[in-house]
Amino acid sequence: NAGVMQNPRHLVRRRGQEARLRCSPMKGHSHVYWYRQLPEEGLKFMVYLQKENIIDESGMPKERFSAEFPKEGPSILRIQQVVRGDSAAYFCASSPTGTGGKYGYTFGSGTRLTVV
Amino acid sequence: DQQVKQNSPSLSVQEGRISILNCDYTNSMFDYFLWYKKYPAEGPTFLISISSIKDKNEDGRFTVFLNKSAKHLSLHIVPSQPGDSAVYFCVSGNQFYFGTGTSLTVIP
Repeated sequence: NAGVMQNPRHLVRRRGQEARLRCSPMKGHSHVYWYRQLPEEGLKFMVYLQKENIIDESGMPKERFSAEFPKEGPSILRIQQVVRGDSAAYFCASSPTGTGGKYGYTFGSGTRLTVV
Repeated sequence: DQQVKQNSPSLSVQEGRISILNCDYTNSMFDYFLWYKKYPAEGPTFLISISSIKDKNEDGRFTVFLNKSAKHLSLHIVPSQPGDSAVYFCVSGNQFYFGTGTSLTVIP
């Protein structure tokens, strides 16, 4: 029973390129969350998705960032025209039910994005 | 908007002793608070949670205490083991807000 799978583990992009980060949730989980951890900081919530729907994107930067969770396939976090400040670890988590409650989410191992 | 705060970035404890990690929050509307543990190059792992209607929850060596009047919670680890060395995050119940983390080192 595989956990949350994120790929790639490491991604290097030049300034101005696009970054695509993928997340496959645990089997049976239909809720996906993306977080970003900047150096020396805690995790920051970015977006919460269910299949084909964005439920809450209050943590997403207004420009260049987008996320989707299609009916088939993994969730994708897309960053267009990357800048050095986008360098961070991006974590995906999944759960069988929505936010709130006493049960934690299952996190993937993250994608470390480096913008050069 | 720091809804949960961890003011101690690091803590060192001798093996076998008690580790106490602290967290303050500002929003009293959360139904739960959670603690996660994170090793380097891995994602966070859920550890323990507490309901806002309780003041204590215990799971093995881990106990979380909630002081609603002070808007403060703490995680106690007894006895501490070297494998507990990790970064611990205090998290709001909707899991939108993570503290900045406390790096615990348990010295053998």
